[in-house]
Amino acid sequence: SQKIEQNSEALNIQEGKTATLTCNYTNYSPAYLQWYRQDPGRGPVFLLLIRENEKEKRKERLKVTFDTTLKQSLFHITASQPADSATYLCALGGSAGNMLTFGGGTRLMVKP
Amino acid sequence: DAGVTQSPTHLIKTRGQQVTLRCSPKSGHDTVSWYQQALGQGPQFIFQYYEEEERQRGNFPDRFSGHQFPNYSSELNVNALLLGDSALYLCASSPTGHGYTFGSGTRLTVV
Repeated sequence: SQKIEQNSEALNIQEGKTATLTCNYTNYSPAYLQWYRQDPGRGPVFLLLIRENEKEKRKERLKVTFDTTLKQSLFHITASQPADSATYLCALGGSAGNMLTFGGGTRLMVKP
Repeated sequence: DAGVTQSPTHLIKTRGQQVTLRCSPKSGHDTVSWYQQALGQGPQFIFQYYEEEERQRGNFPDRFSGHQFPNYSSELNVNALLLGDSALYLCASSPTGHGYTFGSGTRLTVV
């Protein structure tokens, strides 16, 4: 069955450092992968989309890589700030219609 | 420009009751998807509506049904509520192949 794994343990880093979050998947051939940010009690907010034929995508302090051979995506936040503290979700889509399949999310805590 | 609007924000129901949740998509978006998010987990796809028809469905029982209106707004209905239906219900709208815009969700508690 399809499986998307994100580190369920919280990631704690110091302000100014680069945060790196991992998303691994199995039994899936996505056409694209998306990353979302979710704050407590709120809906997810779209951050970046990367397609299967793209290796890397950047947006301001965010960078996403997508390796379809390793079946893995890495999400980087450079020069992290306490305001970046949130849960980050990866989601795969496109192999079966338009539905998104989400991972369980990783909680990021950036300490001042 | 309003994003995705969901109502109500919170709801408490008793086991066996029925509930209707409502969603207005972002202006210009004609596709609406519904997700269920249990505490501490990622959202799970329930179904998607386009042109007033259910286009795709996730692994949810028939107790979960929906509707889309000509103005693209949508409703999610859940019959015979179970304690396990307690969750945050999220509505998302999108142009195909792009990032979804999610509402803030409806927190449903079944007691």
